[in-house]
Amino acid sequence: AQSVAQPEDQVNVAEGNPLTVKCTYSVSGNPYLFWYVQYPNRGLQFLLKYITGDNLVKGSYGFEAEFNKSQTSFHLKKPSALVSDSALYFCAVRVYNQGGKLIFGQGTELSVKP
Amino acid sequence: SQTIHQWPATLVQPVGSPLSLECTVEGTSNPNLYWYRQAAGRGLQLLFYSIGIDQISSEVPQNLSASRPQDRQFILSSKKLLLSDSGFYLCAWSVRRDPSYEQYFGPGTRLTVT
Repeated sequence: AQSVAQPEDQVNVAEGNPLTVKCTYSVSGNPYLFWYVQYPNRGLQFLLKYITGDNLVKGSYGFEAEFNKSQTSFHLKKPSALVSDSALYFCAVRVYNQGGKLIFGQGTELSVKP
Repeated sequence: SQTIHQWPATLVQPVGSPLSLECTVEGTSNPNLYWYRQAAGRGLQLLFYSIGIDQISSEVPQNLSASRPQDRQFILSSKKLLLSDSGFYLCAWSVRRDPSYEQYFGPGTRLTVT
């Protein structure tokens, strides 16, 4: 069965410091992996995806993610956090051959303090 | 460009009353469509997905139903609401037959059942 795990419910970072939001996955076959961000009372916004190719994927708002096949991980990173990055972050994996379904992790609340 | 609309934005309904939430997509054709529920501001639960008109799959047994009367219209309904139906309902779309494409989310409907 395919699954996604976000081991941290909350991540606290000081503004200007690097941030990492962790995600591990379990899939059969090649993984299609996604990161989304959600601000309070809003829909999810797409940040970036890994389909194939370079293991380091660059996305919106200065975020990037590193795909690691041996560790089955897809961690979200940013070199210098902003207070405005504070939000709920979701990792997701595509379910093979089921209408484009995604399986989402439980989400990680990122809090960036000034 | 493509846009996705949901209405209403907020809704307060008594237990036992009917429900109808609407989602429409503009600027694309033949999309995959999805309904999610987000409870307590965290995890996303996929309720229904559709790969075409009259092709709807239900992910969890419950008192909700979905219909797709037109290619770009997706409706979530209930005949009698339960307290447990309260939550944030999100509609999303993706490009059909291309698993590499991300899902795009609407702004959501906040439903409170009293």
